[in-house]
Amino acid sequence: GDSVTQKQGQVTLSEDDFLFINCTYSTTTYPTLLWYVQYLGQGPQLLLKVTTANNKGISRGFEATYDKGTTSFHLQKASVQESDSAVYFCALVEATEGADRLTFGKGTQLIIQP
Amino acid sequence: GGIITQTPKFLIGQEGQKLTLKCQQNFNHDTMYWYRQDSGKGLRLIYYSITENDLQKGDLSEGYDASREKKSSFSLTVTSAQKNEMAVFLCASSPGLGDYAEQFFGPGTRLTVL
Repeated sequence: GDSVTQKQGQVTLSEDDFLFINCTYSTTTYPTLLWYVQYLGQGPQLLLKVTTANNKGISRGFEATYDKGTTSFHLQKASVQESDSAVYFCALVEATEGADRLTFGKGTQLIIQP
Repeated sequence: GGIITQTPKFLIGQEGQKLTLKCQQNFNHDTMYWYRQDSGKGLRLIYYSITENDLQKGDLSEGYDASREKKSSFSLTVTSAQKNEMAVFLCASSPGLGDYAEQFFGPGTRLTVL
């Protein structure tokens, strides 16, 4: 079955630092790859979607890309702010009969030091 | 816009107890999901439902029952709570299939078993 590996459990940065989070995936189909963000006390919310058609997604200063050759996808931001402190999940979409099932990575907690 | 409401927000149970978590959505979405979130383990799918009275097992369905009696509501029952269990249960909904239909999450129910 599909799988996603997200190895970075925690990333600590200072404001204006560059953020880079990486996930690898395994699937037999054309992937749709997602990034969700979860702020403290809230449910996850969709941040970005990347497909084989668009290769890249951009939202709120974040950019998501994927590399078919290495079966990996990345989330990056040029200059993080304290308000970006959250947990970031990568996820792989599996379209099954009647619904889209998501396989999530373990999450990366982003801590921004003031 | 819409909202997903989960009740209760915090749930404390005893070992062996049967516990029920409730979820309501006013998006008029067809598909609803229950996920379990453990620290450091990402989100794992327990049950999902593509329409009223439909139930589909996810990867973690053992030890749980679910019920979708109305389109707007989806309940999850922990059939026998395990001692020292701590997790957050997240409910989500989506409009259904079609170029990945975004899943919208509720704020979660935090379960503690004494």
